[in-house]
Amino acid sequence: AQSVTQLGSHVSVSEGALVLLRCNYSSSVPPYLFWYVQYPNQGLQLLLKYTTGATLVKGINGFEAEFKKSETSFHLTKPSAHMSDAAEYFCAVGYSTLTFGKGTMLLVSP
Amino acid sequence: GAGVSQSPSNKVTEKGKDVELRCDPISGHTALYWYRQSLGQGLEFLIYFQGNSAPDKSGLPSDRFSAERTGGSVSTLTIQRTQQEDSAVYLCASSLPGDGNTGELFFGEGSRLTVL
Repeated sequence: AQSVTQLGSHVSVSEGALVLLRCNYSSSVPPYLFWYVQYPNQGLQLLLKYTTGATLVKGINGFEAEFKKSETSFHLTKPSAHMSDAAEYFCAVGYSTLTFGKGTMLLVSP
Repeated sequence: GAGVSQSPSNKVTEKGKDVELRCDPISGHTALYWYRQSLGQGLEFLIYFQGNSAPDKSGLPSDRFSAERTGGSVSTLTIQRTQQEDSAVYLCASSLPGDGNTGELFFGEGSRLTVL
């Protein structure tokens, strides 16, 4: 069985501030972990993924995430938020079928 | 187009009617998924097709829901006797054979279903 918990349905930051979106997972086997982003009125697209190897993963648009097995976490970060980062972000765990979290809406103010 | 195509983009129906939602995956993608996205609930897995294997139907919420995939390409999700709680965005995704096992799913823009 696998599950994902995203802490905070909404996160608000100012432009230029650090972005931190939290994700904790539960998995009975070593997990593959993902972050997807959904911009308004669009489908989801992959930001980054962890499968094996290096635990710090870099994705598109300056985002990165670190897999911490001891904390069962895969938090998403970006050093400096842009207005264009406003979207909904989903953490997911799994292999052939993915289990998604409920999503975190990132709001960026000028 | 090059992406996953879903139709209709919006569907309004009356309670008790049947609806069909269509998904046209990216050419060459052997894996196809249906998810349901409800407000504040994230994405709920419904069904997964991989090549000619029997589909994984473990996420279908009731026997009113069914899906088929013809010729290993286009898929149709059918909801019979729709209920108001079926209102949601239905997302289709596809993936390459290898990437199907590493989670890089390519999503369509979804079909928004409203049941009155």
